[in-house]
Amino acid sequence: DTGVSQDPRHKITKRGQNVTFRCDPISEHNRLYWYRQTLGQGPEFLTYFQNEAQLEKSRLLSDRFSAERPKGSFSTLEIQRTEQGDSAMYLCASSDQGGPTDTQYFGPGTRLTVL
Amino acid sequence: AQTVTQSQPEMSVQEAETVTLSCTYDTSESDYYLFWYKQPPSRQMILVIRQEAYKQQNATENRFSVNFQKAAKSFSLKISDSQLGDAAMYFCAYRSYRGRGGSNYKLTFGKGTLLTVNP
Repeated sequence: DTGVSQDPRHKITKRGQNVTFRCDPISEHNRLYWYRQTLGQGPEFLTYFQNEAQLEKSRLLSDRFSAERPKGSFSTLEIQRTEQGDSAMYLCASSDQGGPTDTQYFGPGTRLTVL
Repeated sequence: AQTVTQSQPEMSVQEAETVTLSCTYDTSESDYYLFWYKQPPSRQMILVIRQEAYKQQNATENRFSVNFQKAAKSFSLKISDSQLGDAAMYFCAYRSYRGRGGSNYKLTFGKGTLLTVNP
């Protein structure tokens, strides 16, 4: 299977702890996106990479959040000093710049629960 | 900023029947893409169908088709011959046409419509 993968699938943490999520995009895709989805809502954009460059960050991405894509392949999303409001599903998607419509393909997500 | 509205939080359909999910959007742009994604329970989001705004012809993928009304900013999804496996949350999404900078690649989603298929 060469789809988008995310690890871990589930994470339970205590308030104030740091957590890190990983996303592995489809291998030829040079664009990578992070979204957050809370219960009963559609996904909301967090940030976007083209290769290793982070080109846009949403206002949702507070200073406690940081994302990297060091070699233009996998990406990590770190949340420092987690808060209960950070509980959500964190989705990663990737797309191919050379594709006809740059369609985004999603991973299974990481569900974060902050106690 | 673009917005996407799905006015039906829940819909139900009998197996083998046809159902239409509604989506409206607001934008000042003339070129853009529209998508329908399906998110089954506890499973990942998958693309159902996409429409380029510059194409007048409505997109079709097997049992899934759209009714794209650009002037009305409406983008509904029709599912024909509904199957039990169609049960899922369906999201309508908007994306600006590429080529105008990084901010235009993000998807803007509606809140979703939960589709139940009754046997």
